[in-house]
Amino acid sequence: GQNIDQPTEMTATEGAIVQINCTYQTSGFNGLFWYQQHAGEAPTFLSYNVLDGLEEKGRFSSFLSRSKGYSYLLLKELQMKDSASYLCAVSGGSTLGRLYFGRGTQLTVWP
Amino acid sequence: DTAVSQTPKYLVTQMGNDKSIKCEQNLGHDTMYWYKQDSKKFLKIMFSYNNKELIINETVPNRFSPKSPDKAHLNLHINSLELGDSAVYFCASSLQRGGYEQYFGPGTRLTVT
Repeated sequence: GQNIDQPTEMTATEGAIVQINCTYQTSGFNGLFWYQQHAGEAPTFLSYNVLDGLEEKGRFSSFLSRSKGYSYLLLKELQMKDSASYLCAVSGGSTLGRLYFGRGTQLTVWP
Repeated sequence: DTAVSQTPKYLVTQMGNDKSIKCEQNLGHDTMYWYKQDSKKFLKIMFSYNNKELIINETVPNRFSPKSPDKAHLNLHINSLELGDSAVYFCASSLQRGGYEQYFGPGTRLTVT
């Protein structure tokens, strides 16, 4: 089966750096995605990792270690608008294209 | 020029009714999906079509039936609605199957009373 774990909640202050961890167990790994979801809105794509290492995109970076079944999303220079749920999703299993989502990490950024 | 659109955005109906949710994407993608997000915000795949062919059919009640008339459209019909069907339903699309970013529609908030 597939299992994706991430913390339920995190808090941080404006301007700080926060790291959201995600661990997973899956067969047939085809990559790991991070999505951002603001309250009442649709998830939007943040990053995709299929090889080990760090992918940087502006204030956001994502890291993957396939051997450890581990990823993290790093958010720098936090802003109030970064308050949202961050969803870790793994592409894997026997059906190509199937995404398994974690339950999301609700990040609250305080002034 | 919305990429993935869904109608309606809100749907309030009584138990036992039948309802449909429509989804359209103008991105030229081959693959479309239906997800259900429950009150605890857990996002779970229900169905996926690739070029009008059903490729993912999760363990959902057979009261739920998807239909893809063409690869730009994926509709969801729900028969005999139950209280537990209340959730937000998201449609999504991706260029192809596999390691491709999925674009989500705005969601349909279904409330069954």
